Amino acid sequence: GAVVSQHPSWVICKSGTSVKIECRSLDFQATTMFWYRQFPKQSLMLMATSNEGSKATYEQGVEKDKFLINHASLTLSTLTVTSAHPEDSSFYICSARAIRERSYNEQFFGPGTRLTVL
Amino acid sequence: AQKITQTQPGMFVQEKEAVTLDCTYDTSDQSYGLFWYKQPSSGEMIFLIYQGSYDEQNATEGRYSLNFQKARKSANLVISASQLGDSAMYFCASSNTDKLIFGTGTRLQVFP
Repeated sequence: GAVVSQHPSWVICKSGTSVKIECRSLDFQATTMFWYRQFPKQSLMLMATSNEGSKATYEQGVEKDKFLINHASLTLSTLTVTSAHPEDSSFYICSARAIRERSYNEQFFGPGTRLTVL
Repeated sequence: AQKITQTQPGMFVQEKEAVTLDCTYDTSDQSYGLFWYKQPSSGEMIFLIYQGSYDEQNATEGRYSLNFQKARKSANLVISASQLGDSAMYFCASSNTDKLIFGTGTRLQVFP
């Protein structure tokens, strides 16, 4: 159980276009989903936290108008990179927190999406 | 604010040997959690082990154990009987709310 999928797994796009990445919890409902970005050989940096039915909370320095996050249901969150530029090329990973009794913040990670902007 | 420090950018270990990956944390919170994740070259984040700040026993999960020294604010990961498949990046992370704060990672390479 506790599987999170991401689609697409990789995408190449031209500069100026928008790209949508989907994050789905397949066998559980997620109260909260998180979006991370990872540059090559670096750590995961939290971009934003999204709760179902409410606006996402963005980390300092992350442009909310550029990285649009929608969490329309308890199993789906989307990240749209608007007007993508080469510097947005990165590995984007989502995670989901399950609705269940846990003593700690258990997050399940998706397999990631590699974005390359030409 | 929380901060995680992993001072070892890379580690080598021979197959079947044990290895310790270091992690220190900085937090003023009384209640927090510490995590270790493995990231193979494919990119997915694999949860390995969790330690709560109030847990008195060191966490263990199979070949993984967490050496938790609260006074020193360290949470080192010990991998026993290393296998070639253990070669990957390893990230230490902490959490006191919903957020996970990651360290910079340690690349572990297991050689025959």
